[in-house]
Amino acid sequence: GAVVSQHPSRVICKSGTSVKIECRSLDFQATTMFWYRQFPKQSLMLMATSNEGSKATYEQGVEKDKFLINHASLTLSTLTVTSAHPEDSSFYICSARPAGGRYEQYFGPGTRLTVT
Amino acid sequence: GENVEQHPSTLSVQEGDSAVIKCTYSDSASNYFPWYKQELGKRPQLIIDIRSNVGEKKDQRIAVTLNKTAKHFSLHITETQPEDSAVYFCAASLSNTGGFKTIFGAGTRLFVKA
Repeated sequence: GAVVSQHPSRVICKSGTSVKIECRSLDFQATTMFWYRQFPKQSLMLMATSNEGSKATYEQGVEKDKFLINHASLTLSTLTVTSAHPEDSSFYICSARPAGGRYEQYFGPGTRLTVT
Repeated sequence: GENVEQHPSTLSVQEGDSAVIKCTYSDSASNYFPWYKQELGKRPQLIIDIRSNVGEKKDQRIAVTLNKTAKHFSLHITETQPEDSAVYFCAASLSNTGGFKTIFGAGTRLFVKA
């Protein structure tokens, strides 16, 4: 149980285009989802926290107009990287907290974004 | 700015020994402190966490201690096993749900030698 999937696993896009990454909780309902970036051999960086049906809360320094997060249902959150630039190339990981699970957190497998 | 320092960056122990990883944080308002384990090439896992109103928490071979006065918290792994080998990240969060102003430590690579 408690499986989180991400799609796509890898994506290459051209500079200036937008890319959407999906995060799904497959066997549970997630009231809260988190989006992270992870650079090679480096730590995680929390980008934003999204609660179903409400606006995402972005961490300091994360541009909300560039990284659009939508959490329209209890099983799906999306991250859209708008007007992507090479410096946006990174590993993006989501995690989901089950409804009623105050501190549980299950991670997706990540999406490697390469912007050329 | 706010930061979390994590030490050591690398730790090598013999199977069966204990391992201790320490983190210090700068924002005294932080009230939630999770620990994550990430095996090579795999997704992170939340392995244990502690809130600011608790000084210690234990889950089988893993324990976490928190000293709010000194602003540091530690992960203790007893009777280490080869499968404990991974990178461990600590984090300090301002909210008690793990989101909002969460800062991660740089990670500790733990090697458990059989």
